[in-house]
Amino acid sequence: DAGITQSPRYKITETGRQVTLMCHQTWSHSYMFWYRQDLGHGLRLIYYSAAADITDKGEVPDGYVVSRSKTENFPLTLESATRSQTSVYFCASSESGGRYYGYTFGSGTRLTVV
Amino acid sequence: DQQVKQNSPSLSVQEGRISILNCDYTNSMFDYFLWYKKYPAEGPTFLISISSIKDKNEDGRFTVFLNKSAKHLSLHIVPSQPGDSAVYFCAARSGTASKLTFGTGTRLQVTL
Repeated sequence: DAGITQSPRYKITETGRQVTLMCHQTWSHSYMFWYRQDLGHGLRLIYYSAAADITDKGEVPDGYVVSRSKTENFPLTLESATRSQTSVYFCASSESGGRYYGYTFGSGTRLTVV
Repeated sequence: DQQVKQNSPSLSVQEGRISILNCDYTNSMFDYFLWYKKYPAEGPTFLISISSIKDKNEDGRFTVFLNKSAKHLSLHIVPSQPGDSAVYFCAARSGTASKLTFGTGTRLQVTL
């Protein structure tokens, strides 16, 4: 199916565990992004990527690692999960340039760290 | 430092009336502004946008107004419908990067 998909939709993990959230898009968009949504903070950028093998930090990158070996995939890894990383995570993609600069978001992954 | 602010966490409006959602920003380098709508358990979806060279953009029931001197934008929904009940995020982009900065969101409830 065309679009942007995130997996898993829900995840419960223990403090200290490593967990990877997956994001896959079928449009060959250059840009991909990871945001987290928290009450009172809105959507905050964790990491983004302008192309394969190019990644950069966003507003809240600590505790997260990303990679982008292929244009269509942008996994987000929590190397050692903490309770403060309990959140809803959204992946998004966009064309480079274009008539407007909106993103298309995935449906999100709700992560609970216990 | 919150560069994009939505000071009203929630808003309740009667069906058929106008909904006005507000957003303030501090970064004068922002050149493009967008509104996203988010339903529970779904990702945000693009609603409407405006370039900094304009002061108004209209799309059906939705109109966005931009006041650059006040660094303020607003989203007007007329008439409001129950299906408009959602969280609305304001977002802004600066010309040198493709990343968007989002506000904290306003939860709109349209009542019957």
